[in-house]
Amino acid sequence: EPEVTQTPSHQVTQMGQEVILRCVPISNHLYFYWYRQILGQKVEFLVSFYNNEISEKSEIFDDQFSVERPDGSNFTLKIRSTKLEDSAMYFCASTGQDDTGELFFGEGSRLTVL
Amino acid sequence: GNSVTQMEGPVTLSEEAFLTINCTYTATGYPSLFWYVQYPGEGLQLLLKATKADDKGSNKGFEATYRKETTSFHLEKGSVQVSDSAVYFCAPNAGGTSYGKLTFGQGTILTVHP
Repeated sequence: EPEVTQTPSHQVTQMGQEVILRCVPISNHLYFYWYRQILGQKVEFLVSFYNNEISEKSEIFDDQFSVERPDGSNFTLKIRSTKLEDSAMYFCASTGQDDTGELFFGEGSRLTVL
Repeated sequence: GNSVTQMEGPVTLSEEAFLTINCTYTATGYPSLFWYVQYPGEGLQLLLKATKADDKGSNKGFEATYRKETTSFHLEKGSVQVSDSAVYFCAPNAGGTSYGKLTFGQGTILTVHP
């Protein structure tokens, strides 16, 4: 069964460093998302991406964050200068043209900022 | 924006017990409603969904009915198993062109003992 894959599964970085989290969505999907879950808190929407541009973003998704689809398969989330509060589990998700909103999530990338 | 109030946990049950996890939401328009499950060490998986009022979503013995009049989407299972131990998230979507933007509840940890 097709699945969303994310790398790395866990990354430890120093505060102020740049981090890139990678995702390979399901191949025929067109809509891509990043969510995050700070330990013990809710899963929160960060950004949605369609047709090579951001379609919606949350307040969390400030200038330190960016997303890119550099080729036909990868979807990346970049954090330019990490802060301690960026430590979280980051989930990538994708969906096709079904407008019911059913998202297919990856297993997540855990980011630890020291 | 949408908001979700989900029954707080943790919930601890014996195998074969009846499960109810309450979820109420506020939303503009007519969202689709979802229950996602997160098994230990894994990502988020769709458990079931309902896309319009009075629809019943069901999967793996779990059920939830879209109650527009009470803005609720309570999750039930008649007889839980140890393998159902996981975190359960209720999530309406934003509807319209933001259908992939989910608002998650805080999650309910379910532990089922033999």
